[in-house]
Amino acid sequence: DAMVIQNPRYQVTQFGKPVTLSCSQTLNHNVMYWYQQKSSQAPKLLFHYYDKDFNNEADTPDNFQSRRPNTSFCFLDIRSPGLGDAAMYLCATSRDGGGTGELFFGEGSRLTVL
Amino acid sequence: AQSVTQLDSHVSVSEGTPVLLRCNYSSSYSPSLFWYVQHPNKGLQLLLKYTSAATLVKGINGFEAEFKKSETSFHLTKPSAHMSDAAEYFCVVSGGISGTYKYIFGTGTRLKVLA
Repeated sequence: DAMVIQNPRYQVTQFGKPVTLSCSQTLNHNVMYWYQQKSSQAPKLLFHYYDKDFNNEADTPDNFQSRRPNTSFCFLDIRSPGLGDAAMYLCATSRDGGGTGELFFGEGSRLTVL
Repeated sequence: AQSVTQLDSHVSVSEGTPVLLRCNYSSSYSPSLFWYVQHPNKGLQLLLKYTSAATLVKGINGFEAEFKKSETSFHLTKPSAHMSDAAEYFCVVSGGISGTYKYIFGTGTRLKVLA
């Protein structure tokens, strides 16, 4: 059974046209993360939520925003996608945010910017 | 501070031969270490994790890893490679303390399995 579900799996947008990616989880984990992964690179953390407490990485562009309306759902909003934002976006959860708990990943959403 | 180094960006093995993917870490705390596998256009799947229990950790699909504190290593091995093992592998170290929210990724090793 899927535990972290991302939609859509594939998203095509035009330069500058806003896009929203969604993530839902059935694990009831406190922490949710958004990672950006470009081709042949490691995932790069954009931000995370501990419950409703939002934490932005220092180098995450302002173009990227996130919302977490409840424990189960988290959204990634890209306000004005540029060509450099084309990537795989991975949602992950963890029970306690580090320590011994592992990350649980969704299948990812691949964004193409035309 | 934590860091992790994957020593090989690409590894090629023949089907049926052993696999060795190398990972070295640095951590100020007793680390938790993980290996993840990623197949093309997929999310990351946990292979195994070390969390200060047994130093030899067995994972899924016949993989295992040994935590060696003296060498600060956590290398991933498998006795016999299958074609389906061809993928990207990431070594990850956690912050070591619950609530730090930090997972540090290595740069990845792409495993190629030759028929």
